[in-house]
Amino acid sequence: AQSVTQLDSHVSVSEGTPVLLRCNYSSSYSPSLFWYVQHPNKGLQLLLKYTSAATLVKGINGFEAEFKKSETSFHLTKPSAHMSDAAEYFCVVRAVGGSGAGSYQLTFGKGTKLSVIP
Amino acid sequence: EAQVTQNPRYLITVTGKKLTVTCSQNMNHEYMSWYRQDPGLGLRQIYYSMNVEVTDKGDVPEGYKVSRKEKRNFPLILESPSPNQTSLYFCASRPDRTSGTSETQYFGPGTRLLVL
Repeated sequence: AQSVTQLDSHVSVSEGTPVLLRCNYSSSYSPSLFWYVQHPNKGLQLLLKYTSAATLVKGINGFEAEFKKSETSFHLTKPSAHMSDAAEYFCVVRAVGGSGAGSYQLTFGKGTKLSVIP
Repeated sequence: EAQVTQNPRYLITVTGKKLTVTCSQNMNHEYMSWYRQDPGLGLRQIYYSMNVEVTDKGDVPEGYKVSRKEKRNFPLILESPSPNQTSLYFCASRPDRTSGTSETQYFGPGTRLLVL
């Protein structure tokens, strides 16, 4: 079984200040973890992914996330927010190492809406 | 261009009138799935398919059917739509788990459905 908890449903930051979107996961197996972004009225775009290589993962648009096994966390960060970062962000987990169909399934968090104030 | 396409993009219908949302991918992916997105709930998986003629229920399959007769197509069927199926629907595909790129899932643009 696997689950994802995004700790904040809404985060608001000023332009130019750091962004932190928090995500905790649980998984019976070694997880693969992803962050997706969805801009208003758009589809989902993959920001970055962790697949058991380096624990600090760099993604597109200056975002990065750190996999911390001891804390079961995969928080998304960006040093300086830009207006174009305003969107909804989804943390996603997939269990790696299980057998059968379950190992294919992605479990999504409920999303965090990021607002950027000029 | 590698892509997942969905049709229609927008649909308004009435309770009980059967409808089909099509999904097609041109990347020869084995795995395809359908999600619905509702405010505050994130994306929840409806059905998935690991290959042709192999489908299984996701987390919220009630009221939906799927078929996978060809590798590229994975239609979502609502036999008797109800208002609680008003939602934003996404189709997605990815390669087989043994592929080196199996981690990347590609999403379609979404289908916004309103059931009156």
